[in-house]
Amino acid sequence: QSALTQPASVSGSPGQSITISCTGTSSDVGGYDHVSWYQHHPGKAPKVMIYEVTYRPSGVSNRFSGSKSGHTASLTISGLQADDEADYYCASYTIDGTWVFGGGTKLTVL
Amino acid sequence: QVQLQESGPGLVKPSETLSLTCTVSGGSVTNHYWTWIRQPPGKGLEWIALIYYSGTTKYNPSLKSRFTLSIDTSKNSVSLKLSSVTAADTAVYFCGGSIDAVYTWDTWGQGTLVTVSS
Repeated sequence: QSALTQPASVSGSPGQSITISCTGTSSDVGGYDHVSWYQHHPGKAPKVMIYEVTYRPSGVSNRFSGSKSGHTASLTISGLQADDEADYYCASYTIDGTWVFGGGTKLTVL
Repeated sequence: QVQLQESGPGLVKPSETLSLTCTVSGGSVTNHYWTWIRQPPGKGLEWIALIYYSGTTKYNPSLKSRFTLSIDTSKNSVSLKLSSVTAADTAVYFCGGSIDAVYTWDTWGQGTLVTVSS
C-alpha cells in the first residue's frame, strides 16, 4: 500500500488561494469518491475538512473546497487566513477495503 | 456528541506487546466504526486499521500482521494491540470514528504518545 502523493509544502499570503493535490491510483482515489481531507496541527487531533471529495462537515468554513479529476483529488483554500497554517492530509478508501493517507502537505501562510 | 480518549502505557520496551485503548463517550461503540492511525516523530500520518461494529477488521497490508484490533462492549471501547514493538513503532497513536458521515473519520481523540525504548 503506497501513500498517496501530495506536495511536501505549499505557501500563500493572507487572502490568496492555494490548492493541494493528492494523487493516487485507480485502486483508491481514481476508483472511489471516498476521499477526505484532514487538517492537523501537531500535537492535536486531526480535523476533517472535506469528505466524499466535495462535502464540507458542519462548522467548516466554505473557504475550503474539494474536487477530483481522474486519480487526483484537490483541496482548495480560498481567502487564506493565518490560522489555516497547518499540515493537510488526504485519505482515500481503497479497493481492499482499507484506507491510505497522503504524505501530508505543510501549508505556510506568509 | 461522541468523544474519544486514547490511553496507553507511554513507554514500552522493545519486543514487548503494546496495548492501547480508545474509550468512547457520548455514544455506543457498537453503533459506528473505528480506526487507528499513528504519526511517528517528524513524519506524516499512517493508517493502521479499522474495525466495524460487526467486529470485522481491516489492516494496513504494509504493516504486516503485528496489529490486532478489537471491541470491548462492556467498556465501550476499542483496543489496539501491537506485538514485537521496535523503535520504529514510536509514535503518537490516534483513534478515530466515523460518526456523522460515512466513509470518513469525523471524530478523533487527542492522541497518545508511545515511546519504544529499553
